[in-house]
Amino acid sequence: AQTVTQSQPEMSVQEAETVTLSCTYDTSESDYYLFWYKQPPSRQMILVIRQEAYKQQNATENRFSVNFQKAAKSFSLKISDSQLGDAAMYFCVNFGNEKLTFGTGTRLTIIP
Amino acid sequence: SQTIHQWPATLVQPVGSPLSLECTVEGTSNPNLYWYRQAAGRGLQLLFYSVGIGQISSEVPQNLSASRPQDRQFILSSKKLLLSDSGFYLCAWSVRLGTDYGYTFGSGTRLTVV
Repeated sequence: AQTVTQSQPEMSVQEAETVTLSCTYDTSESDYYLFWYKQPPSRQMILVIRQEAYKQQNATENRFSVNFQKAAKSFSLKISDSQLGDAAMYFCVNFGNEKLTFGTGTRLTIIP
Repeated sequence: SQTIHQWPATLVQPVGSPLSLECTVEGTSNPNLYWYRQAAGRGLQLLFYSVGIGQISSEVPQNLSASRPQDRQFILSSKKLLLSDSGFYLCAWSVRLGTDYGYTFGSGTRLTVV
């Protein structure tokens, strides 16, 4: 079975500062992917960044980067230069065995 | 390019009434299809997934059922809705592209059972 744990229900950050969202996971799959999804008030699920488990290099997408620690089963998201549009619910997600498993989410607030 | 259509966007139904939510995918063939439900302020829970026509796997026992009558059509149904069926329902598809995966969500249906 796959599990994903996000231990921070809420986080806040000053605009233009950096924030890190934590995620740990557990899986018995050897081939899997990890994602961070963003869900704004519209409730549309928006892919922020993805990481293939077989890749050692941490993924980066503009202001978003991850710290993937495979042995520790940790997958944190760093948002640099936070912007007001980054305010949303963020979900850490494990994709393995044809299924997505979601964490419970972290609500990120940006303070102007 | 691949697109996914989900409708209706919003639905208010009385307790005991039937339900039918539809999801269709364009631009790909033989995708895996999924139905998720999100309760208020929570993550997504996988309800059903399908790897092919007529093949449905249920993740959670409940008052709902799913069908896949065509390759790119996935339907979520109920014969009699319960208050606890209220929530936000998302359809998604995935397809393996060599060693990579594509995965896309629909825009969701907000269901309120009254």
